[in-house]
Amino acid sequence: ELKVEQNPLFLSMQEGKNYTIYCNYSTTSDRLYWYRQDPGKSLESLFVLLSNGAVKQEGRLMASLDTKARLSTLHITAAVHDLSATYFCAVGPGDDKIIFGKGTRLHILP
Amino acid sequence: ETGVTQSPTHLIKTRGQQVTLRCSSQSGHNTVSWYQQALGQGPQFIFQYYREEENGRGNFPPRFSGLQFPNYSSELNVNALELDDSALYLCASSLRTGRDFTQYFGPGTRLTVL
Repeated sequence: ELKVEQNPLFLSMQEGKNYTIYCNYSTTSDRLYWYRQDPGKSLESLFVLLSNGAVKQEGRLMASLDTKARLSTLHITAAVHDLSATYFCAVGPGDDKIIFGKGTRLHILP
Repeated sequence: ETGVTQSPTHLIKTRGQQVTLRCSSQSGHNTVSWYQQALGQGPQFIFQYYREEENGRGNFPPRFSGLQFPNYSSELNVNALELDDSALYLCASSLRTGRDFTQYFGPGTRLTVL
């Protein structure tokens, strides 16, 4: 059974600091997704990573994928309050389901 | 915002009742997936429909059923509601081409079972 583990599950950080969220998954997968969810809202697609060594950046967020280690990271550079949200890593082992991690609740303090 | 819409926004039911949730997919998308998200948890895959056929199912009992219509909209039906069915139900649409398969989520339906 495919498992997706994120850590940390909760992160409180100061504005201006850098930090990384880690996502490990248990079996080979074709696709790795990162989503953002604001409280009471739906999920917003941030990145999809399709190959080993893939790196994508959008603003202060950068995601990378190491398929050999079954590890993806989401790096936050110079955090700002607007980035406070829950971030989900998800893995697509086939063409149907996406398996989600439990999410990392990010709280950025002014 | 994505073009995925869901109705209703909120719903309150009692145990044993039945509920139908609706989803309209983003224009051009031919695949709809449904997820259940309990409070404080990640979404869990219920099932997916592609060209009106079920294309995969998660660990949910048969009382969770669905339909996809020719216009690619979809319904999720839950019979014999239980208290643990209280959750946010998310619909996601996607286009099955290439390797991306990114799923775009609707705003969700918050179901409360009393």
